[in-house]
Amino acid sequence: ETGVTQSPTHLIKTRGQQVTLRCSSQSGHNTVSWYQQALGQGPQFIFQYYREEENGRGNFPPRFSGLQFPNYSSELNVNALELDDSALYLCASSLVHTSGSYEQYFGPGTRLTVT
Amino acid sequence: TQLLEQSPQFLSIQEGENLTVYCNSSSVFSSLQWYRQEPGEGPVLLVTVVTGGEVKKLKRLTFQFGDARKDSSLHITAAQPGDTGLYLCADLIKAAGNKLTFGGGTRVLVKP
Repeated sequence: ETGVTQSPTHLIKTRGQQVTLRCSSQSGHNTVSWYQQALGQGPQFIFQYYREEENGRGNFPPRFSGLQFPNYSSELNVNALELDDSALYLCASSLVHTSGSYEQYFGPGTRLTVT
Repeated sequence: TQLLEQSPQFLSIQEGENLTVYCNSSSVFSSLQWYRQEPGEGPVLLVTVVTGGEVKKLKRLTFQFGDARKDSSLHITAAQPGDTGLYLCADLIKAAGNKLTFGGGTRVLVKP
């Protein structure tokens, strides 16, 4: 149990629709990252938010957007859904340890199916 | 763009056997991390290694980092069914906002 929660657990959408996925970070973490994990593959970095500002983005089109709120919860929005957007979407909250080491804590993910 | 290749893609063994999985990078790792992901869950960090040639042990798991910091292996001794999962290697790139670049993973099945 990492303390990172995501909702919903599963979601089915139709091509062209829009979707919002939600993440509640672990208490005390001020950074959240989102990853897309297609079936049979490793996760791919979408973007990261630090103190409500985007702080790095992977190779994803602008129809993938996000928000981070003052309580450090976060949303991932995807517009104009395509079939290839079907994947497990993971969020991870992070904290830098006093030792300098770094760990991201992942939520269980939201399984999105686009038909 | 950094590419991480993991091999084999899938491994099925009997309880009590040993196994080794590999991770190779197209460029030098900034900070190598190994994760295990179980069905229906997110990845869980197992270890972080930074120094070339470093060997870390976590109970029955042994992690080796190549001298050139471009390859790594994970060895499991006397595997148990609880070791079943997807093993992922990743590069933690602090200069890019602590972005993780993952390999494709090795799916391990330990049969009782």
